[in-house]
Amino acid sequence: GAGVSQSPSNKVTEKGKDVELRCDPISGHTALYWYRQSLGQGLEFLIYFQGNSAPDKSGLPSDRFSAERTGGSVSTLTIQRTQQEDSAVYLCASSHRDLIANYGYTFGSGTRLTVV
Amino acid sequence: AQKITQTQPGMFVQEKEAVTLDCTYDTSDPSYGLFWYKQPSSGEMIFLIYQGSYDQQNATEGRYSLNFQKARKSANLVISASQLGDSAMYFCAMRERGNNRLAFGKGNQVVVIP
Repeated sequence: GAGVSQSPSNKVTEKGKDVELRCDPISGHTALYWYRQSLGQGLEFLIYFQGNSAPDKSGLPSDRFSAERTGGSVSTLTIQRTQQEDSAVYLCASSHRDLIANYGYTFGSGTRLTVV
Repeated sequence: AQKITQTQPGMFVQEKEAVTLDCTYDTSDPSYGLFWYKQPSSGEMIFLIYQGSYDQQNATEGRYSLNFQKARKSANLVISASQLGDSAMYFCAMRERGNNRLAFGKGNQVVVIP
């Protein structure tokens, strides 16, 4: 597609339920990143994919968080047993190969997750 | 430890005037890149400008320029001739060599008034 597509754009879930967030990167972008933005805060790195492998998943805050990427394209971020502190905007970004100077990332519009 | 610091409170700027957004960073890596992103109220992150640590010249992109002072570890963004559409949050970010993640600051809020 023309841009990074994320779905759903908004998700309200009950505490304790599992949620899946989807990211469809720009075609041909092999690098994919997930970030989290809590209210009034900057972006917090979660995980980085190069192709289907995740060489850096050090930002995942707990073992309730996991992510996968299949076919070098779509990625899914799964949060199990959601907690209220998981409420945030989850942003996905992609870039050509690794992060190349002058391009930065291209971000999606994010998924706003609210845990009630 | 915080790698990117943006401490200015929300800023109001008159349309057509210039505004400078402060960013300081912390790294011991001699090779790094600095980025600025804009986040309007719609939420998307828009890449504005990039400065490499070895670049001799300050980066410019249209109305955006980056005042890079390496010894002070600062990378301030200058927006010239502000427009109403410039109202947004602005984030400074850094990538260190060998690291694919970007470290972001907490952002500067800018409101352009007519």
